[in-house]
Amino acid sequence: AQSVTQLGSHVSVSEGALVLLRCNYSSSVPPYLFWYVQYPNQGLQLLLKYTSAATLVKGINGFEAEFKKSETSFHLTKPSAHMSDAAEYFCAVSDYNTNAGKSTFGDGTTLTVKP
Amino acid sequence: KAGVTQTPRYLIKTRGQQVTLSCSPISGHRSVSWYQQTPGQGLQFLFEYFSETQRNKGNFPGRFSGRQFSNSRSEMNVSTLELGDSALYLCASSAVGLVAGELFFGEGSRLTVL
Repeated sequence: AQSVTQLGSHVSVSEGALVLLRCNYSSSVPPYLFWYVQYPNQGLQLLLKYTSAATLVKGINGFEAEFKKSETSFHLTKPSAHMSDAAEYFCAVSDYNTNAGKSTFGDGTTLTVKP
Repeated sequence: KAGVTQTPRYLIKTRGQQVTLSCSPISGHRSVSWYQQTPGQGLQFLFEYFSETQRNKGNFPGRFSGRQFSNSRSEMNVSTLELGDSALYLCASSAVGLVAGELFFGEGSRLTVL
């Protein structure tokens, strides 16, 4: 079974500050890991994904995440927050080979960016 | 390339009624998944269809059902609606065999049960 834990349901940063959203996973097989972003009244949009290639993954809008197997973590970072980054962020894990369309999502982290 | 389209976007029903939601995946995507999103439970997997067959199912009662047509379009149905069924229902499609596990989401159908 797979699971995802996002540490901190709410994170608040100042504009221009570092963004760090934490995600730890549990998987019995090599995982595929994803970060999605959801803006109000919209669906989820993929930010980035890890699929067993490079451990440091770069995504859209300046976000990146590092896969650390020893720590079972896949934290999302952005060097400098922008007001437009305010949204809810979800970490997800899937076992692509057997469950392509079934991902397990974390509870989400709401990011607030203060001016 | 058109994205995932869900209809209707908003709907209001009363307890005991039934509802059908529709999802058109991205062209060429054969896998369609459905998720329920609520403030209390977060994103919960309902089911996944691939080539008109239900391949995975989450832990929801039998009142929740779905189907997929030969053109990959999918519908989900909820019968005997309960207040707790109020939620945002998200459909996602994926290109099985091409892009590992990435889901493309629609904007959702927001169901309110009164």
